[in-house]
Parts: sequence; C-alpha cells; structure tokens
Amino acid sequence: NFMLTQPLSVSESPGKTVTISCTRSSGSIATNYVQWYQQRPGSAPTTVIYEDNQKPSGVPDRFSGSIDSSSNSASLTISGLKTEDEADYYCQSFDSNNLVFGGGTKLTVL
Amino acid sequence: QVQLQQSGPGLVRPSQTLSLTCAISGDSVSSNIAAWNWIRQSPSRGLEWLGRTYYSSKWYNDYVVSVKGRISIKPDTSKNQFSLQLNSVTPEDTAVYYCARLFVGRLDYWGQGTLVTVSS
Repeated sequence: NFMLTQPLSVSESPGKTVTISCTRSSGSIATNYVQWYQQRPGSAPTTVIYEDNQKPSGVPDRFSGSIDSSSNSASLTISGLKTEDEADYYCQSFDSNNLVFGGGTKLTVL
Repeated sequence: QVQLQQSGPGLVRPSQTLSLTCAISGDSVSSNIAAWNWIRQSPSRGLEWLGRTYYSSKWYNDYVVSVKGRISIKPDTSKNQFSLQLNSVTPEDTAVYYCARLFVGRLDYWGQGTLVTVSS
C-alpha cells in the first residue's frame, strides 16, 4: 500500500505557470500510471491528464503532466494560467487492483 | 456520449444500509473494456475509491480494504445499471457518493453525485 501526497494549496497569478506535485510514499512512481483530475465547486471531477502525460480531447495544451523517478513524484503543470483554472486538483494512481487518490491541491489564481 | 444517473436516499440512519444505484446510458455494464466504480468524497477523507465491478468473461469485484466486509457492488444487466450497498453505516460514512466509469486507465465519466448523510 502507498499514499499520494499533494500540497494543500498553491497560488499564482494569471498568465504565470504553476506546478502541482504528487509524491508516492513507497514503490516507484513509474510502476503505475498517474492521472490528474480537476474539480470545480459543486461538480464531479474531470480528467485533465491520464497515463502520466496524456491529455483527453478538449483539455487545453496549457496542461501537461510528467513523472520524476528521482523524486518519486508526478507533476501537473499549468502554463498561461487563467482564472477559470482555479479549482481543486487530485492525482490518482493504482495499487494492485485498487485506485488511490492524493489528498488534493487547491489552486488559487489571483 | 456516456451518461451516469445516480439515484438513492440522501439520509440513512446509523447501523442501517446505504443503497445507491447508477444507471448507465451510452455504454453497457457488461462491457469488457470498462469498469464501474463507486467513489466518495468528504472533507475529512477527500476522494476515496470504494470499489468496482467489471466483466471479463465473468464478473469481478474489487473493494478498498477500509470498507471490505461492509460493501457490495453489483451489476444489473437487465437494467444496465450497477449498485452500491454499504452496511452498518456510521456518521463517518457521511459523504458525497459518485459512480464513475474507468476506461483506458482513467475515470472518464462520473455521475452527478449524491450527498448521503448518516444521522438519526
């Protein structure tokens, strides 16, 4: 069993770039794909990144994902921040047949 | 376009059984390339995956350890839906419950969410 740890909150200004990390507590981050979900208040989560760095159709190119084995973490990077990007972001991976979520990061665009 | 429509009560008494249903349109619960999941969300627990059912020559279930023994997720092929039953609930089970499809490694379609409050 492992945990995924995210920062509670990040903030940045419109037009800037922000990176949200997701650190796996044990086992290699590369062992299982990482997904990222965006959740706005009152709505269900939606996928912004899947399989570490793939984007569903309709997700802007400003969103990108990566993994870093040296820090055993995944990252979601949003460039050219817009106020509409303000939301909660969750990483998710797989532990055997189970799904594991990170605790979520609140992104404030101010 | 896949749609998931949840139904079920929003209030459950302690020690009783929480029951929710997720009706599927645009896909089949018997698909052999998708899995049908229940996830809950609360301020104290964040997003918590509860379990899933899927068909691959036969039906399978996976459940999170923390609720194993209290949970059952079942497909209903006649109505193209799947259900969640969580027994012996306590106030700790108060949460927004979501159903979702797992496809190509991601949860790509979600139900609208149901706030379930456990209270007497």
